[in-house]
Amino acid sequence: EIVLTQSPAALSLSPGQTATLSCRASQSFSDYLCWYQHKPGQAPRLIIYDAVNRATDVPGRFRGSGSGTDFTLTISDLEPEDFAVYYCQQRADWISFGQGTRLEVK
Amino acid sequence: QVHLAQSGAEVKKPGSSVRVSCVASGDTFSSYSLSWVRQAPGLGLEWMGRIIPSLDIKHYPQKFRGRVTITAVTSSNTAYMELSSLTSEDTALYYCVSFRRGHDFWGQGTLVTVSS
Repeated sequence: EIVLTQSPAALSLSPGQTATLSCRASQSFSDYLCWYQHKPGQAPRLIIYDAVNRATDVPGRFRGSGSGTDFTLTISDLEPEDFAVYYCQQRADWISFGQGTRLEVK
Repeated sequence: QVHLAQSGAEVKKPGSSVRVSCVASGDTFSSYSLSWVRQAPGLGLEWMGRIIPSLDIKHYPQKFRGRVTITAVTSSNTAYMELSSLTSEDTALYYCVSFRRGHDFWGQGTLVTVSS
């Protein structure tokens, strides 16, 4: 089973800044890596799939990158609605989630 | 478009079992895998396993193997997740999810509370 480790656990930034979230896998795999945004009281929302593709209606300030074992979600010019918990998920070998990164307002 | 409707909240005693249902509409139920994901209070998302209804193939991660059983009835477009030997650590919001490339469909979630 593939273990995903996210860093940092929490990130404090201000609107307008850039967030860089990391996801490292315990073994290399093809680009079946997704990123989710999760807000309280809502189901998680798919943001990025196949490591680099934005899901429908996701703004261009969200960018996914990486391959192999190291993946990154970059959120540029943070908007107030971007502050949430973000999870990476792999679908290469069954399914697993990282433990999450909490993006909070500074 | 797929709509997943889950059964209502449950309160269970430690040591008992719980079964949560998930009814799919608007799509070919048996053609896609159906997963279960949970989130305990203050913790992250956990994938509990999945089923491919048309093939009755099931996958369970090591953590839940032997304690989770996922089944499906294709005639009623319904999937079930049964979790046994409940402890307080199983108190969580449980989701059924259809993961697809580029988009997902999530149920509304079922709160399971384990309390003596």
